[in-house]
Amino acid sequence: KQEVTQIPAALSVPEGENLVLNCSFTDSAIYNLQWFRQDPGKGLTSLLLIQSSQREQTSGRLNASLDKSSGRSTLYIAASQPGDSATYLCAVGGQGGSEKLVFGKGTKLTVNP
Amino acid sequence: DARVTQTPRHKVTEMGQEVTMRCQPILGHNTVFWYRQTMMQGLELLAYFRNRAPLDDSGMPKDRFSAEMPDATLATLKIQPSEPRDSAVYFCASGDRVYNEQFFGPGTRLTVL
Repeated sequence: KQEVTQIPAALSVPEGENLVLNCSFTDSAIYNLQWFRQDPGKGLTSLLLIQSSQREQTSGRLNASLDKSSGRSTLYIAASQPGDSATYLCAVGGQGGSEKLVFGKGTKLTVNP
Repeated sequence: DARVTQTPRHKVTEMGQEVTMRCQPILGHNTVFWYRQTMMQGLELLAYFRNRAPLDDSGMPKDRFSAEMPDATLATLKIQPSEPRDSAVYFCASGDRVYNEQFFGPGTRLTVL
């Protein structure tokens, strides 16, 4: 059974700092990995999708990497801003040809002005 | 602006009442997912459909929950009878055909008294 772990559970940084969020998964036979952002009381917003054949994806100040063999992904946020404060969720999908996603519990990020 | 919509956004009901939640997936997406989010359990998959056919509902308590897709523009999740432990935020998501990137709706916040 796939398990997804995100460390740390919470992170507080000053504005402007570069930071890395970690995600690990137990079964490397995945089809893709998706990073989401969730603001309090809101739904999930898709940030980046990495296919299993890819090593990384970039969008603006965000960069996500994937190392399937070691069961790890990182989300790098450059020059953090207070508006980046949210919970970031990692999800892996595609085991056994299924489209189901298995989610981590998330990392709650606070960027202080 | 293609997005997943969900109604109602908030629902307060009494134990034993029937609850129906509705979701309109993004036009052209062929997979639809129902998730439940609680503080304790995080995000859990309840059921999902591909091309309107139910593929997996192993996450749902079958005695009280049911999920259907009467047509390509509507998915429903029903709880009958509802119980206080069903209080949670219920999300619907739809996935695109090619990459299976999932897009989430804003959620229905359910409170069962």
